[in-house]
Amino acid sequence: DIQMTQSPSTLSASVGDRVSITCRASQSISNWLAWYQQKPGKAPRLLIYKASTLESGVPSRFSGSGSGTEFTLTISSLQPDDYATYYCQQYNTYSSFGPGTKMDI
Amino acid sequence: QITLKESGPAVVEPTQTLTLTCTFSGFSLNTRGAGVGWIRQPPGKALEWLALIYWDDDKRYSPSLKSRLTITKDTSKNQVVLTMTNMDPVDTGTYYCAHQAQMGYYYMDVWGKGTTVTVSS
Repeated sequence: DIQMTQSPSTLSASVGDRVSITCRASQSISNWLAWYQQKPGKAPRLLIYKASTLESGVPSRFSGSGSGTEFTLTISSLQPDDYATYYCQQYNTYSSFGPGTKMDI
Repeated sequence: QITLKESGPAVVEPTQTLTLTCTFSGFSLNTRGAGVGWIRQPPGKALEWLALIYWDDDKRYSPSLKSRLTITKDTSKNQVVLTMTNMDPVDTGTYYCAHQAQMGYYYMDVWGKGTTVTVSS
């Protein structure tokens, strides 16, 4: 199984901040990585796939980068609607999710 | 517009079998490349991918849960059914079905709202 880790587990930031979340895979997954946003009591929302491709309708302040075993989700200017938990997902070999990063005010 | 909705029992007793139904619209599982998957989330914990079924009835399962899972489809009803045997309290959580975004890749672009399952006697 491919294990996914995320750091930090919690991120405290203010509106307007540039923030980044790191996701690491236990082995190379090329660029087969997606990022999701989840708000309390809601289903996850796809933000990015193939490591850096923005899903339709997702604001351009979200971006993804990386390949192999290390990936980054960046929000260029944090907005109030962005406070949520973010998960990475590898889909190179079956699928597995990271433990999540909670964005706090 | 693609929508999915999960349904099933809210409470299941330990050792029982759970049966969940995903009813979808906006696409057909008769269409080449289409797929529907199941993902679950224990309370306060991370997501866990469970299973996926393709338009051609090919199926994929989480290796760690494969012995307990069965996924089937009824294209005439636009439904996908997931069964999980030998339920345990650790299986408590929210179960989501979702639309596979791209053929052959296990990321999901549209999700249902989820259904909560509690395993308790």
